[in-house]
Amino acid sequence: GNSVTQMEGPVTLSEEAFLTINCTYTATGYPSLFWYVQYPGEGLQLLLKATKADDKGSNKGFEATYRKETTSFHLEKGSVQVSDSAVYFCARAPNDYKLSFGAGTTVTVRA
Amino acid sequence: GAGVSQSPSNKVTEKGKDVELRCDPISGHTALYWYRQSLGQGLEFLIYFQGNSAPDKSGLPSDRFSAERTGGSVSTLTIQRTQQEDSAVYLCASSLGAGAGANVLTFGAGSRLTVL
Repeated sequence: GNSVTQMEGPVTLSEEAFLTINCTYTATGYPSLFWYVQYPGEGLQLLLKATKADDKGSNKGFEATYRKETTSFHLEKGSVQVSDSAVYFCARAPNDYKLSFGAGTTVTVRA
Repeated sequence: GAGVSQSPSNKVTEKGKDVELRCDPISGHTALYWYRQSLGQGLEFLIYFQGNSAPDKSGLPSDRFSAERTGGSVSTLTIQRTQQEDSAVYLCASSLGAGAGANVLTFGAGSRLTVL
């Protein structure tokens, strides 16, 4: 099965709302964890990453903390904007560097 | 080059035809990935090349799919006898393959394949 499980979408929310996208991973080895984002009409790009337990990745107001005890890497943003509308992918990389991605969560932010 | 370049950007073909999709990774990136993104679905891993090592082909969905990487740079994904279920966006990505940047993938814009 997939080694990354993320919250199913779609998620629709209003501007300035709080966003959380849940992501859990299989705890084999000591993987690095990532969030990638795909904006409409664009290719995937790295949003943030964390390489070890308790690390917090952050970028563009988004944050995610590597939680080994709950095998989670939930993405959060305190106040979303319309420009945050995108598909968000959680990803895991074990020691052999091959990434496996979650199914993606579509987020739509309404003005 | 400055980014990962894929061609063609769009390909429409008839069922049963063969197609080739090309990927030019970032210069110096030793790792190269192919993924498939189908409508309404997530990213499906297809194949992974790392330097001169044997590729990880564990994600190829059938023997109609093959890929090669010549000279450790350009890669070609070939789909033989295409079927309608092969319709998808095929994404190529590359990374440094070692060190802190090993897992930071840079993706191309993708090749959208439509099989009629």
